[in-house]
Amino acid sequence: GAGVSQSPRYKVTKRGQDVALRCDPISGHVSLYWYRQALGQGPEFLTYFNYEAQQDKSGLPNDRFSAERPEGSISTLTIQRTEQRDSAMYRCASSSQSGSDTQYFGPGTRLTVL
Amino acid sequence: AQSVTQLDSHVSVSEGTPVLLRCNYSSSYSPSLFWYVQHPNKGLQLLLKYTSAATLVKGINGFEAEFKKSETSFHLTKPSAHMSDAAEYFCVVKLSGNTPLVFGKGTRLSVIA
Repeated sequence: GAGVSQSPRYKVTKRGQDVALRCDPISGHVSLYWYRQALGQGPEFLTYFNYEAQQDKSGLPNDRFSAERPEGSISTLTIQRTEQRDSAMYRCASSSQSGSDTQYFGPGTRLTVL
Repeated sequence: AQSVTQLDSHVSVSEGTPVLLRCNYSSSYSPSLFWYVQHPNKGLQLLLKYTSAATLVKGINGFEAEFKKSETSFHLTKPSAHMSDAAEYFCVVKLSGNTPLVFGKGTRLSVIA
């Protein structure tokens, strides 16, 4: 597709379950970013990749959160042992080259933890 | 560290009247500045960006923003609001290189017929 895609668009899970959120960036884009957006707030940075290398994971809130991009294209954000406070919109963005200013966002995954 | 303050959480205007969404930034270095728009159930769309070229930046859908270093502001304007402009608007700052975007809390724009 022409834009960034994310799946699933909506995920409802029970507390304690693991979830995996997928991001498919624009074809050929080098950099991929994950953000989390709580209700009524702006997105906050979680982590980013250049190709398959995770460059910065300083925004991941704790060790239950992890991300990978094994082939430098699709990325998966995994949350283990989910908690209610993990409920948020998870957004993925990609940019055409390392350090490029312009990031293009996907539609997001709305995660609800019951 | 850089940060962004959006001065209004909600702005309401009548259709056909001007729009002003205010943003102030804080950054130790020359930043790049952006405005993104988020329509309900859609992704974030880039409206415009400033990257140290012209201080008056024109974006899509008739929006523009002016970078004022002395006031550390980057306000978003549009001469005449349209119903389709109703959305959430985010002011964003970024340092050069491999750094993440830093978002403001957003301003919800309502347009009244």
